[in-house]
Amino acid sequence: QSALTQPASVSGSPGQSITISCTGTSSDVGSYNLVSWYQHHPGKVPKLMIYEVSKRPSGVSNRFSGSKSGNTASLTISGLQAEDEADYYCCSYAGSPVFGTGTKVTVL
Amino acid sequence: QVQLQESGPGLVKPSETLSLTCTVSGGSISNYYWSWIRQPPGKGLEWIGYIYYSGSTNYNPSLKSRVTISLDTSKNQFSLNLSSVTAADTAVYYCARSGSYALPADYWGQGTLVTVSS
Repeated sequence: QSALTQPASVSGSPGQSITISCTGTSSDVGSYNLVSWYQHHPGKVPKLMIYEVSKRPSGVSNRFSGSKSGNTASLTISGLQAEDEADYYCCSYAGSPVFGTGTKVTVL
Repeated sequence: QVQLQESGPGLVKPSETLSLTCTVSGGSISNYYWSWIRQPPGKGLEWIGYIYYSGSTNYNPSLKSRVTISLDTSKNQFSLNLSSVTAADTAVYYCARSGSYALPADYWGQGTLVTVSS
């Protein structure tokens, strides 16, 4: 069970849209619509942003959206804001949960 | 409002057993999965395992031989034991709640740093 692959960093200017990829295999991302995404500000508690590929928990901004194609899931942040600067982790079910390697989002 | 709070030693000696407890308040243990997740310094999140309120467990295959998660419903607590620790087990340990075996964790504890050192 290997960690899912995410880009180490993604950046964008305020107001822009960015997309973070999460690449797995046919045994995890490709097999289950059970991908979730977390936002983690260093020193804070991780926050669930997306679950079951594209569902948003109550209270999460609709600027955050999720999708999946084949073995790759994606998180898109539209209308990028300064407070979106954080680490983001995907997580997929693969018989047991497995996290992605994490992506640092920088707002320029 | 559901709250989770980790407790336990912040320093553990190599080869010993790391033991942490998570106390759940403001909600019931029933019908949820209760997880332990960790983050080594400078690294990403790693799922350790979970216990369902019924008592069934699922562990990260890479840690399975060293991990035990247990539940005390009378105290609304669940616990982590990680045996034979090394410096690689130094991390912030979080407890978390999820409604699914796929771990969309909606409530987390604040996290507790455990250092493995002699």
